[in-house]
Amino acid sequence: QKEVEQNSGPLSVPEGAIASLNCTYSDRGSQSFFWYRQYSGKSPELIMSIYSNGDKEDGRFTAQLNKASQYVSLLIRDSQPSDSATYLCAVKRNTGNQFYFGTGTSLTVIP
Amino acid sequence: DVKVTQSSRYLVKRTGEKVFLECVQDMDHENMFWYRQDPGLGLRLIYFSYDVKMKEKGDIPEGYSVSREKKERFSLILESASTNQTSMYLCASSTNGGTQYFGPGTRLTVL
Repeated sequence: QKEVEQNSGPLSVPEGAIASLNCTYSDRGSQSFFWYRQYSGKSPELIMSIYSNGDKEDGRFTAQLNKASQYVSLLIRDSQPSDSATYLCAVKRNTGNQFYFGTGTSLTVIP
Repeated sequence: DVKVTQSSRYLVKRTGEKVFLECVQDMDHENMFWYRQDPGLGLRLIYFSYDVKMKEKGDIPEGYSVSREKKERFSLILESASTNQTSMYLCASSTNGGTQYFGPGTRLTVL
């Protein structure tokens, strides 16, 4: 079983819609969760981190964490064509500093 | 702002050459990481370091070595480059327990 799993997509949404990206993880002891955005040919850049159950909002982005279900999601409201990218979910266990990355979900926002 | 720099954006080498990829961070981070990223395989950890002169193998260390003589600098060495090492190489750094920040990446082609 992979440490972190994401639906690879591609996911297509129309401009202005809500894009929903999902991630599950296998280690129940994981404590820190991150979403990165990666444009084609570029390196990943951090969008959000979340550590506690519930929702965390930052502008148009909302991260949701449910530790009981071992599930993390990212919602992008009012999606823009500039949001078209691959979104990587990353998980850090309670011990150590290694991150475990999913393979990413490709999102296309259609104008 | 965290700044992670990598010595080259693009590199072309020949099979059998010794290749050095350098990464420098300016935020006094304890931890540094080298990944490679290939389509469909996501980010795979090659090596990481949690202190000067310390290193730990990641998931795919074969064919690679690393050096960390100074806290801010982490080098990845391909002892004898092979065509299957053609990839995007990403360096990252973090504090203990903190977020990983990525450099811009080096796209290496081995002919």
